[in-house]
Formats: sequence, C-alpha cells, structure tokens
Amino acid sequence: RKEVEQDPGPFNVPEGATVAFNCTYSNSASQSFFWYRQDCRKEPKLLMSVYSSGNEDGRFTAQLNRASQYISLLIRDSKLSDSATYLCVVIPGYSSASKIIFGSGTRLSIRP
Amino acid sequence: NAGVTQTPKFQVLKTGQSMTLQCAQDMNHEYMSWYRQDPGMGLRLIHYSVGAGITDQGEVPNGYNVSRSTTEDFPLRLLSAAPSQTSVYFCASSPMRGGQGEQYFGPGTRLTVT
Repeated sequence: RKEVEQDPGPFNVPEGATVAFNCTYSNSASQSFFWYRQDCRKEPKLLMSVYSSGNEDGRFTAQLNRASQYISLLIRDSKLSDSATYLCVVIPGYSSASKIIFGSGTRLSIRP
Repeated sequence: NAGVTQTPKFQVLKTGQSMTLQCAQDMNHEYMSWYRQDPGMGLRLIHYSVGAGITDQGEVPNGYNVSRSTTEDFPLRLLSAAPSQTSVYFCASSPMRGGQGEQYFGPGTRLTVT
C-alpha cells in the first residue's frame, strides 16, 4: 500500500458544482496534513492546512478523519479558476523531516 | 522578498554530463529540500537540509549530491546525468526546522537528459 494515496481523477465538473476528494495515508502516527494546489507546469502552492477540528476557508473545507486515516477537501460553488491539480501532503512526525510525503495529485477540471 | 529562486529554468544535458541546479531563499528558513516531479507522479524528495552544514537523503537520492554551506543556498548536483533524471526539479524551503510547516516552492527547473 502506498503511504499516501489520491484518486488521480480527472474530476470533470460543471461550474457551480460541489466537488470533494480524499487522500488516504497509511502511517497512523502522521501529525501534519496540508492541501496544495498545482497549476499546469507551475510550482505547488499551499491551499490550506488541515486541522483535527477541520477548517474552512471561503469555498474550501478541509477535514481530517484520524480513525479512517484520510483527509478530505471539499470545494463548493466551483469556479473555472479552480481547475488545477490538488496535492495532499502528510508529515509523519516532528522528528521525521525526511518523510514529507506528497500524494500524486487529483486533477480537477471545471467546465463552463 | 524574492522567496525561493531557482536557476536555470530549463536545461538540456547529454548523458554523462554533470551540472548544478541552484536554489536560494531569502526568508531565513532553516529547512530546505529538493524534489523531482515526473509526469503523472507526485513530488519525490531527493535530499533535504535542516540547517547550514546539515544534509540528509530523502526518498530518491541516488545520482544527486547536495551541500548547505549557508542558510540561503542549497545547490543540487547531478554527478553523471542519465535519461532517467529527466524531470522537473523543485526546491522548497520551510520556516519550521523539521519542515513540518508550509513549504514554499521555487518555480522549478525543467531538465532533459538525452
């Protein structure tokens, strides 16, 4: 089993739709979780951190489910500009700097 | 602040050639790292550093060397380029020593080895 797994997509949804994707991780001791956004041929940029209590930033909601070992990203009222690849990042622990693990990404395409 | 800068943006090498990819950050971050990203794959950690004078191997270190003589600079050296090293290389820095926080990425170097 991969340490971090994402559905590669592509997810192709109409503008205004709600879309959600998950990222599963295998190390139950993982401590920190993030979602990054990567546009075509560009560098990844932080979208949001994922806290145990869940967090929301405008149209974006991130949640953590420790029992089932996954994080999720929900995008409401999707815009054309949301088209990108979304990468999840899992960091096992505060002493494990070598194990920052990126998922392979989920491609999202928003159509007019 | 320029953030994280990388040079060159593009590079073509012949098999067996060596070169150095440059990375610099002006945010006084202790943690810096190098990733490679192949088509359809996620980022894979090559080497990382938690401070000047300290480096360690990541997931795919073979064929690459790094050094960290200053906080600002973290060059990546390809010792003898191979076609399997054709990839996009990203340098990143993080304000947390162990890299647990947000990663700030450079714009990437697109390397082709023929």
